[in-house]
Amino acid sequence: DTAVSQTPKYLVTQMGNDKSIKCEQNLGHDTMYWYKQDSKKFLKIMFSYNNKELIINETVPNRFSPKSPDKAHLNLHINSLELGDSAVYFCASGPGQGNYGYTFGSGTRLTVV
Amino acid sequence: AQSVTQPDIHITVSEGASLELRCNYSYGATPYLFWYVQSPGQGLQLLLKYFSGDTLVQGIKGFEAEFKRSQSSFNLRKPSVHWSDAAEYFCAVGGGNFNKFYFGSGTKLNVKP
Repeated sequence: DTAVSQTPKYLVTQMGNDKSIKCEQNLGHDTMYWYKQDSKKFLKIMFSYNNKELIINETVPNRFSPKSPDKAHLNLHINSLELGDSAVYFCASGPGQGNYGYTFGSGTRLTVV
Repeated sequence: AQSVTQPDIHITVSEGASLELRCNYSYGATPYLFWYVQSPGQGLQLLLKYFSGDTLVQGIKGFEAEFKRSQSSFNLRKPSVHWSDAAEYFCAVGGGNFNKFYFGSGTKLNVKP
């Protein structure tokens, strides 16, 4: 199936831990994104990579580090997790041109306890 | 500054009734406009998009939206709502290189039997 797939779907961890979320797309898109959806459902862009190059880096704590080993993968590593990091994290991909929408993954619900 | 406003946080309609979800945007360039739907525990699915041409666009699941430049609006409509339409709806504006999107805060649709 063509899709954007994220793993894991759920992640429960303690404060201070380091965790990673993986994302893969097989749509042949050049651009991948990480979005954070908070408890009020507000979606905010965090990062974007185009062909493995970081092109969007919003005001995000440097505990968050994206890594793109190739244009089909964009992983998100989070160090020293805090309670406020609890959210749903969505990966998305797109062709990088303005008139196309994204294809979203199904999200990773991160709960920090 | 770029932003999207969805003034209605919750809307409840009866099954079979018509629906209109409001979206207003602020964007400094030619906007590309999108509506996404998010079912509980799911990712976001693209309903429809507008980037040029006819200001009334048709999408999936019987939805349509009308772009009104003078009002900076892109309202979503459906003539007859089905119970399966109950979900959260997000309006987004984006464009330019690498398609950075700005999302509204969402409107939660409940459908009464």
